[in-house]
Amino acid sequence: GAGVSQSPSNKVTEKGKDVELRCDPISGHTALYWYRQSLGQGLEFLIYFQGNSAPDKSGLPSDRFSAERTGGSVSTLTIQRTQQEDSAVYLCASSFGLGRQETQYFGPGTRLLVL
Amino acid sequence: AQSVTQPDIHITVSEGASLELRCNYSYGATPYLFWYVQSPGQGLQLLLKYFSGDTLVQGIKGFEAEFKRSQSSFNLRKPSVHWSDAAEYFCAVGVGGNKLVFGAGTILRVKS
Repeated sequence: GAGVSQSPSNKVTEKGKDVELRCDPISGHTALYWYRQSLGQGLEFLIYFQGNSAPDKSGLPSDRFSAERTGGSVSTLTIQRTQQEDSAVYLCASSFGLGRQETQYFGPGTRLLVL
Repeated sequence: AQSVTQPDIHITVSEGASLELRCNYSYGATPYLFWYVQSPGQGLQLLLKYFSGDTLVQGIKGFEAEFKRSQSSFNLRKPSVHWSDAAEYFCAVGVGGNKLVFGAGTILRVKS
């Protein structure tokens, strides 16, 4: 597609349930990033992928969070046993290559609400 | 540690007036700096970026930003604001590990 797409756009879940958030990067982009945007914490880096490997997972807030990327394309962010503090907008971005100078292109986000 | 400060949480300007959004960064190496804009319910759109060279950078939608190393600043400017510019603006610095570290954002309101 023309841009980064994410699904679902909105997700409401009950505390304790698992959720999966999906990201489709721009075709040909080798790097993929996940960020979280919440009222209290602003925009925070979670994890990035180069191809299918994740060299930096330092931003994942707990072991309930995991992510994978398959085929160098689609990525899934999984949150297990969701908590109310996980409520946020989860943004995915992709870039053509790696490097601090690379432009990251963002998707519209998945708005997660944990009740 | 690297950080980005946007001192103004909200700014209101009249349509047609000039705009300056402030951004200060803290980063030990050469900073790679970005400005993104986010409209309600939308993702982040890149306005402009600075890596090296000319310290005055031109971006989309008539925006520009000036990098001042001595002040650790990268302020965003626009000479004449349009109502469609109302949005939230984020300054960010690219750091090691290919992360972007963002400021808290500035919400721009445009009054007619």
